[in-house]
Amino acid sequence: AQTVTQSQPEMSVQEAETVTLSCTYDTSESDYYLFWYKQPPSRQMILVIRQEAYKQQNATENRFSVNFQKAAKSFSLKISDSQLGDAAMYFCYIGSSNTGKLIFGQGTTLQVKP
Amino acid sequence: DAMVIQNPRYQVTQFGKPVTLSCSQTLNHNVMYWYQQKSSQAPKLLFHYYDKDFNNEADTPDNFQSRRPNTSFCFLDIRSPGLGDAAMYLCATSRGFGGPIKYNEQFFGPGTRLTVL
Repeated sequence: AQTVTQSQPEMSVQEAETVTLSCTYDTSESDYYLFWYKQPPSRQMILVIRQEAYKQQNATENRFSVNFQKAAKSFSLKISDSQLGDAAMYFCYIGSSNTGKLIFGQGTTLQVKP
Repeated sequence: DAMVIQNPRYQVTQFGKPVTLSCSQTLNHNVMYWYQQKSSQAPKLLFHYYDKDFNNEADTPDNFQSRRPNTSFCFLDIRSPGLGDAAMYLCATSRGFGGPIKYNEQFFGPGTRLTVL
């Protein structure tokens, strides 16, 4: 079984500052991958960043980076130089490379203050 | 631009009156998903198609059905909507289901917000 926990229902950050959203998971799968998706208010879900579990190097996409700690089963998202457009609900999810089974976390709503 | 399109964006139906939501994609992806998302909650996967193979989640109510007549289109049928079925319904696609990560990135449509009166 797979579980994903986002323990912060809401977070806020001042514009231009850095914020970290947490995600922990549990899985019995040996081969899996993790994604962070962003869902702005009334807009569609888009991919922020992805990480394959077998890769030790943390993924980075511009201002977005992850801190992937496989042994601790932690996959946090760091947003640097926060912008007003980063305000959204962020979902972490884990998928199995073997079965395709996927599980979303509960989401974290990020508010960016000007 | 390649995309996932959902129609209508807003749908109002009456309690017990069947309703169909549609999704189309220009990505030529093999997999199409339907999710139910209630306010401020995670999307809940209802089912997915891998090509013509239908895969139902164990806890998806029988009230929800789906059809995929071709690669591009997928429909969600709610046979007898109840008040508890009011939600945002998201369609998504991916190249694959399992396997390398690049095949599993999901592309989402804008959603259809269903209201049940």
